Amino acid sequence: AQTVTQSQPEMSVQEAETVTLSCTYDTSESDYYLFWYKQPPSRQMILVIRQEAYKQQNATENRFSVNFQKAAKSFSLKISDSQLGDAAMYFCAYRSDTGTASKLTFGTGTRLQVTL
Amino acid sequence: DADVTQTPRNRITKTGKRIMLECSQTKGHDRMYWYRQDPGLGLRLIYYSFDVKDINKGEISDGYSVSRQAQAKFSLSLESAIPNQTALYFCATSDFLGQGDGDTQYFGPGTRLTVL
Repeated sequence: AQTVTQSQPEMSVQEAETVTLSCTYDTSESDYYLFWYKQPPSRQMILVIRQEAYKQQNATENRFSVNFQKAAKSFSLKISDSQLGDAAMYFCAYRSDTGTASKLTFGTGTRLQVTL
Repeated sequence: DADVTQTPRNRITKTGKRIMLECSQTKGHDRMYWYRQDPGLGLRLIYYSFDVKDINKGEISDGYSVSRQAQAKFSLSLESAIPNQTALYFCATSDFLGQGDGDTQYFGPGTRLTVL
């Protein structure tokens, strides 16, 4: 079974600075998908970024980018130019490429604080 | 209007009561999911459905049942609620794997359920 580990329960960053959230996963599969979801106090789960394991190029979405290291099974999220609205819980998630294996396996989350 | 809606948003009930949580979506997706979120544990899959006639158990289905009334509607029932079912419940949808962004799940706003 796949597992996802987020070893940083809490992180803090100053506004306009850069922060990196860590995520590692364990799988025996070669093809899969990885995601970062954001959960603000409104509790809505919002997709931040996705990465297909067969793509070597790291995904980017505006101020959000990932460092995907397939051999190391590492998938970190970098937030540049942090804004107050980035304060939230961030969850890393794994999804198998097998058609019938649709579930997302989530990490336990990292709470990000953004300070002035 | 939101693509994935959940009702109710908050519910307080008593031990032994039957509760139904409802989910509707306008994204036209065939696949729907129910997750449970507990503090410190991330989200865990309860049930999922690939189409109207398909229901599958997730990792924590005991004590829950589901009904897929139509492509757009997926309900979660707690037959006899107990206090350790107090949690935040999320519905999610996705397209077929390999279809568009079929690997990505989109979440509703969540239902906070408290069982006294």
